[in-house]
Amino acid sequence: QQQVKQSPQSLIVQKGGISIINCAYENTAFDYFPWYQQFPGKGPALLIAIRPDVSEKKEGRFTISFNKSAKQFSLHIMDSQPGDSATYFCAASMKAAGNKLTFGGGTRVLVKP
Amino acid sequence: DTAVSQTPKYLVTQMGNDKSIKCEQNLGHDTMYWYKQDSKKFLKIMFSYNNKELIINETVPNRFSPKSPDKAHLNLHINSLELGDSAVYFCASSHGPLSSGANVLTFGAGSRLTVL
Repeated sequence: QQQVKQSPQSLIVQKGGISIINCAYENTAFDYFPWYQQFPGKGPALLIAIRPDVSEKKEGRFTISFNKSAKQFSLHIMDSQPGDSATYFCAASMKAAGNKLTFGGGTRVLVKP
Repeated sequence: DTAVSQTPKYLVTQMGNDKSIKCEQNLGHDTMYWYKQDSKKFLKIMFSYNNKELIINETVPNRFSPKSPDKAHLNLHINSLELGDSAVYFCASSHGPLSSGANVLTFGAGSRLTVL
């Protein structure tokens, strides 16, 4: 049972464009929703995270939008740059499960110059 | 100074062999993890240790045996390697499960295991 579903699997965007990645979750007990960024040959690294008491969080060109009623959250990369080309993972965790992270399937983003 | 370091980075071996991957973190974290990333990039947790105690043991064949000699080290030993074990194995660490930083993981660079 995949508790966090991520789409699309891959995405190609022109430099300067907006990349949008969507995630949907099933368990309403999840209370923390991070996004991780992974470059080829490297481990994933925390990019930005949100808790369900806010609907949006922005850090630089990266924004998380959170819709609690729809059980969905998304990552927007504004003014996408070639250096943003990476695999992005959404994830979710809950205190009741010891804060264990459950990852989505990942989205490969390619930003063309 | 690498925060989470794992060795070896690459490992190529024959089916049926036994191999180990080592991991060390210098972040002072209490919890360490092993994740498996398959060819489709899917990340799946295998094990988690908190202060040397096993706290997460997902459905993993018992050919996989983690060992944590202290809270800064978590090793993964794999017996009787099979073709399907080929993957990238990531070590990660975080603060303890009840801490505010428990869900912020720091990953190592990965160990790519190829079973021939």
